[in-house]
Amino acid sequence: AQTVTQSQPEMSVQEAETVTLSCTYDTSESDYYLFWYKQPPSRQMILVIRQEAYKQQNATENRFSVNFQKAAKSFSLKISDSQLGDAAMYFCAYRSNNAGNMLTFGGGTRLMVKP
Amino acid sequence: DAGITQSPRHKVTETGTPVTLRCHQTENHRYMYWYRQDPGHGLRLIHYSYGVKDTDKGEVSDGYSVSRSKTEDFLLTLESATSSQTSVYFCAISLTGSQNTQYFGPGTRLTVL
Repeated sequence: AQTVTQSQPEMSVQEAETVTLSCTYDTSESDYYLFWYKQPPSRQMILVIRQEAYKQQNATENRFSVNFQKAAKSFSLKISDSQLGDAAMYFCAYRSNNAGNMLTFGGGTRLMVKP
Repeated sequence: DAGITQSPRHKVTETGTPVTLRCHQTENHRYMYWYRQDPGHGLRLIHYSYGVKDTDKGEVSDGYSVSRSKTEDFLLTLESATSSQTSVYFCAISLTGSQNTQYFGPGTRLTVL
């Protein structure tokens, strides 16, 4: 079974600065997907970014980018030019290509943005 | 917005009573999922469905059952609710042709007294 670990329960960043959230995972598979989801106080789970394991190029979505290190099984999220609206819980998730395409989530990192 | 609604959005019930949560989607997606969210655990899969009347267990399925009699509805039932089932429940759908990304409903907060 796969496991996903987020070692930082809480992080804080100054508005306009850059912050990196860490995620590591354990798997014996070679083909899979990784995701970062954001959960603001509204509780809605919002997709931030996704990465296909077979792609060497790191995914980027506007101010959000990832550092995907397949050999190290590491998948960190970098948020540039942090905004007050980025304050939320962030969850890293692993998706196997096995039946059901189920997601395995990490425990989450709470990001606080200071004005 | 993947057209997912959940009902009810909040519910308070007593131990031992049956509870059914409903997930409704409007876009005929094949895969549907039920997760629960508890502090420190992220989201954990309860059950999922890969078609009408086709369901399978997830990581934390004990005490839960599901049914899917039509494509758009996926029901989660707690036959006899316990306090350990107090949680926030999320439904999700999986979009085929988009790296099977899962999109989530708004969640249901269930409190079992």
